[in-house]
Amino acid sequence: AQKITQTQPGMFVQEKEAVTLDCTYDTSDPSYGLFWYKQPSSGEMIFLIYQGSYDQQNATEGRYSLNFQKARKSANLVISASQLGDSAMYFCAMREVYSSASKIIFGSGTRLSIRP
Amino acid sequence: NAGVMQNPRHLVRRRGQEARLRCSPVKGHSHVYWYRQLPEEGLKFMVYLQKENIIDESGMPKERFSAEFPKEGPSILRIQQVVRGDSAAYFCASSPGLGTKNNSPLHFGNGTRLTVT
Repeated sequence: AQKITQTQPGMFVQEKEAVTLDCTYDTSDPSYGLFWYKQPSSGEMIFLIYQGSYDQQNATEGRYSLNFQKARKSANLVISASQLGDSAMYFCAMREVYSSASKIIFGSGTRLSIRP
Repeated sequence: NAGVMQNPRHLVRRRGQEARLRCSPVKGHSHVYWYRQLPEEGLKFMVYLQKENIIDESGMPKERFSAEFPKEGPSILRIQQVVRGDSAAYFCASSPGLGTKNNSPLHFGNGTRLTVT
C-alpha cells in the first residue's frame, strides 16, 4: 500500500537561508510520481514540483529542487534563499501508476515559518 | 483559462441538514478527485471519478456521503444528515486523462469550508 511520511510538523528558518523539508514514501509500484504542494494561510493548494520514479535527474523549478533518493525512498524538497512568502504548509504527495487507480495521496504536511 | 471552480466557498449547515458541494474541473479535464482536510492536517483522499463513473471511493465514508460526476455539469459531493464531525475543508481537484502517465499534477480548487452547527 502506498504511504507518505513527513516527520517535521513545523520548522523555523531565517530569511535567505536554504531549507530542506523531509518526505519519505513507501510503494510496491515500479512506476510512480512524487509531488510537492504549498498551502499558504489563504488555503489554496499550489503545485510546486514533480519527480518521476524513472527520472535520472533531480527536478528543479526556480528556487525549488527535489532531492530524490530512490533507494532510500525519500523525496526531500529544498527551497533555496527562503523568503517571507514561503511561510506556509508544505505537502508531499505520491501517485502510483499501476495500482491505487492513480489517486494521489498526501503526507501530513510541514508548517514552514520564515523569520525576518 | 479557468481553473477548478468550487462553490460555495463557505457553507454552514445545522446538524441533520444536507450539504451539496459543487466542483467544475478545468476545461478538458475528465478526472475529478475529492479530498477532505481537517484543521492542521493533510488532505485525505475521498473519491476519484471520471465522467459518469466512480473509479475509487475507498476513502469515502460508507454512509451519508455520495459523489457524482455527470456527463453534463459539475461534480457534486453530497453529505446527508451532516454531523459536527463533518466540519472540514473539502477540496476538489482535476486532471486530464492519464493513460500510463503519472506526471500530471492535480489542479485544485480553493475548497469549500463546511461548518456544521
